[in-house]
Amino acid sequence: QKEVEQDPGPLSVPEGAIVSLNCTYSNSAFQYFMWYRQYSRKGPELLMYTYSSGNKEDGRFTAQVDKSSKYISLFIRDSQPSDSATYLCATAGGTSYGKLTFGQGTILTVHP
Amino acid sequence: DAGITQSPRYKITETGRQVTLMCHQTWSHSYMFWYRQDLGHGLRLIYYSAAADITDKGEVPDGYVVSRSKTENFPLTLESATRSQTSVYFCASSDSRRSETQYFGPGTRLLVL
Repeated sequence: QKEVEQDPGPLSVPEGAIVSLNCTYSNSAFQYFMWYRQYSRKGPELLMYTYSSGNKEDGRFTAQVDKSSKYISLFIRDSQPSDSATYLCATAGGTSYGKLTFGQGTILTVHP
Repeated sequence: DAGITQSPRYKITETGRQVTLMCHQTWSHSYMFWYRQDLGHGLRLIYYSAAADITDKGEVPDGYVVSRSKTENFPLTLESATRSQTSVYFCASSDSRRSETQYFGPGTRLLVL
C-alpha cells in the first residue's frame, strides 16, 4: 500500500464549478501537507501547504487536513480553464523528515 | 536568470549506456532532490542531498548514482541505462529541512531504447 493515495482521475468539470481533490495517507507521523500544481510538460510548483490539521484558504483555493481520518483535500472555487493541470498532494514529517511523499496526482481539466 | 535548471531537456539513449542528467540551482539551497515521474506512480524520490558531500537514498535508488561536490550542482548518473529507466526526471531544491517548499526544475525526458 502506498503511503499517500490519490485518485488519478482524470477529472473534467465545466468552468465555474467547485472542484474537490482528495488524498488519504497512512503514516500518522506526517505533519506537513502540501498541494503542488503541475502544468503539462512543466515541473510541479507549490500551491499551498498546511501544518497539522485545519483549513487554509488562499483566494479560490482551500486546503483542508483531517488528521483523525488521515484525509487531505483541496477545494477550488469558481474553477477556471487556467486551473487545468495535474494536482499532487504531498506529505512530510516523522521519519521522512526532510523528504516529501507524493500522491499519484489528479489530472484536472476545466472546460469553458 | 536565477532558478533551477536541468540539462539536457530531452535525451534518447540505448540500453547499457551511461547517462548523466545535470541539475543546477542559483539560490544556494542546502537541500536538493532527484525524482522520477511515471504514469500511475506520481513522483518518486531517487536520491536527495542535505548539503555538499552529503547524499542519501530515496525510494527508488537502484541503478542511479549521485554526487554533490558543489552546493549548486547535483548530477544524477544512470550507470547502465535500462528501458525501465525511461521516465521524466525532476530535480528540486529547498532551503528548509522540512522541505515543504521544494522548487522544481523543468524536467528531463529520458527515453531508453
